[in-house]
Amino acid sequence: EDQVTQSPEALRLQEGESSSLNCSYTVSGLRGLFWYRQDPGKGPEFLFTLYSAGEEKEKERLKATLTKKESFLHITAPKPEDSATYLCAVSQETSGSRLTFGEGTQLTVNP
Amino acid sequence: EPEVTQTPSHQVTQMGQEVILRCVPISNHLYFYWYRQILGQKVEFLVSFYNNEISEKSEIFDDQFSVERPDGSNFTLKIRSTKLEDSAMYFCAMAGTSVTTAQFFGPGTRLTVL
Repeated sequence: EDQVTQSPEALRLQEGESSSLNCSYTVSGLRGLFWYRQDPGKGPEFLFTLYSAGEEKEKERLKATLTKKESFLHITAPKPEDSATYLCAVSQETSGSRLTFGEGTQLTVNP
Repeated sequence: EPEVTQTPSHQVTQMGQEVILRCVPISNHLYFYWYRQILGQKVEFLVSFYNNEISEKSEIFDDQFSVERPDGSNFTLKIRSTKLEDSAMYFCAMAGTSVTTAQFFGPGTRLTVL
C-alpha cells in the first residue's frame, strides 16, 4: 500500500537548536514531494517541491532534501515563530495530481 | 504565495441539511482541488477538477458530494445531506498550468454538523 510516514510525530526544540524532520514514502512512480507548513486552524502553506533524488531546496532556515525513499526537512537555528506542524505530501504518476499527505510533525520551538 | 480565499470561514449546520462551500480561484490557475481534514487527522484528498470537469475523485467523494464552477469564477463543493462525520476543515487548493506544480491551499472552511 502506498504510504507517507513522517517522524517524529512531535518535536520540541530550544531556540537555536537545529534538527531534522523525516518523511519516508513508499509509492510507485513519484511525481513530486511537497513540504507544507500548517498553523493551527489554518490551511497548509506551501514550502518546497522536490522532484528527483539528490535535489535540495532552501528557504531561510529551512532546507529540504530528497532521496529515493525519503525526504528530510532540516531546520537550522530555529526560532519560536517556526513552531507549526510540518506536512509532507507526495504526488504519484499513477494517481493523477492528488496529494497524499503524511500525519505531520508538530514542531515546538521554545525561546 | 498566491492567495486563495474561501467562504464561509465557519459553517454550522444540522444533520441532513445541504451546504455549499465556496472558493475564489487565482487567475491563471487551471487545476482545482478539495481536501478535508478531520480534527487531529491528516489532510485527505476529495476531488480534482480541470477543464470544467472532475478529473479524479477519492472513495470519500460519494454521491452526496458535487463540485462545479457555476459562473466560471467561484469553485464550489456541495454536500447534499450532511452527516455528523462530515464535520471537518475543508480546504480548496489550486495549481497552475501543470499537474506537477505546487498546490496552494486556502484558509479552509470549518464545517460543524450537529
